[in-house]
Amino acid sequence: EPEVTQTPSHQVTQMGQEVILRCVPISNHLYFYWYRQILGQKVEFLVSFYNNEISEKSEIFDDQFSVERPDGSNFTLKIRSTKLEDSAMYFCASDRLAGGPTGELFFGEGSRLTVL
Amino acid sequence: AQKVTQAQTEISVVEKEDVTLDCVYETRDTTYYLFWYKQPPSGELVFLIRRNSFDEQNEISGRYSWNFQKSTSSFNFTITASQVVDSAVYFCVLDGGYNKLIFGAGTRLAVHP
Repeated sequence: EPEVTQTPSHQVTQMGQEVILRCVPISNHLYFYWYRQILGQKVEFLVSFYNNEISEKSEIFDDQFSVERPDGSNFTLKIRSTKLEDSAMYFCASDRLAGGPTGELFFGEGSRLTVL
Repeated sequence: AQKVTQAQTEISVVEKEDVTLDCVYETRDTTYYLFWYKQPPSGELVFLIRRNSFDEQNEISGRYSWNFQKSTSSFNFTITASQVVDSAVYFCVLDGGYNKLIFGAGTRLAVHP
């Protein structure tokens, strides 16, 4: 069964460092997302991406965050200068082939980011 | 405002019991989608069901059933004859538009043998 894969599974970084989280969405999916879940809290929307541009972003997704689809398969989330409060599980997700998003998101297993 | 409330933080049952997870939502949209996602201990998020606001028919899938009541803005989820493998956190989710999913806080279900 096709799946969304994320790397790394866990990253520990120092405050102020740049971090790149990588995702390979399901092949031929068109809609891509990043969500995050701070430990023990609810899952929060960060950003959606379609046709090589951001469709929607939340207040969390400030200038420190950026997304990119550099090569047609990877979908990356960059945090420019990490803060302690960026510590969370980051989930990548993708949605279907065509005809508009369905909400049936396929999520990766997540990348846990720990900022010290 | 768009919001999802799952009032039950944790539920503990014994195997084979039926359990209902409550969900109440708020939205001003006339058309919207609701979902349930499961997060097992391994951490990934697994899609369970999508419901269009126009379709108030209840749905059954094996041991899972969903009761959507637009009049009370509720979308409850029942697991019949629960099993240990059902132990997970369950999220009720509202589509805030273009897959900007709004998650409830989740209900942690523990099914004991």
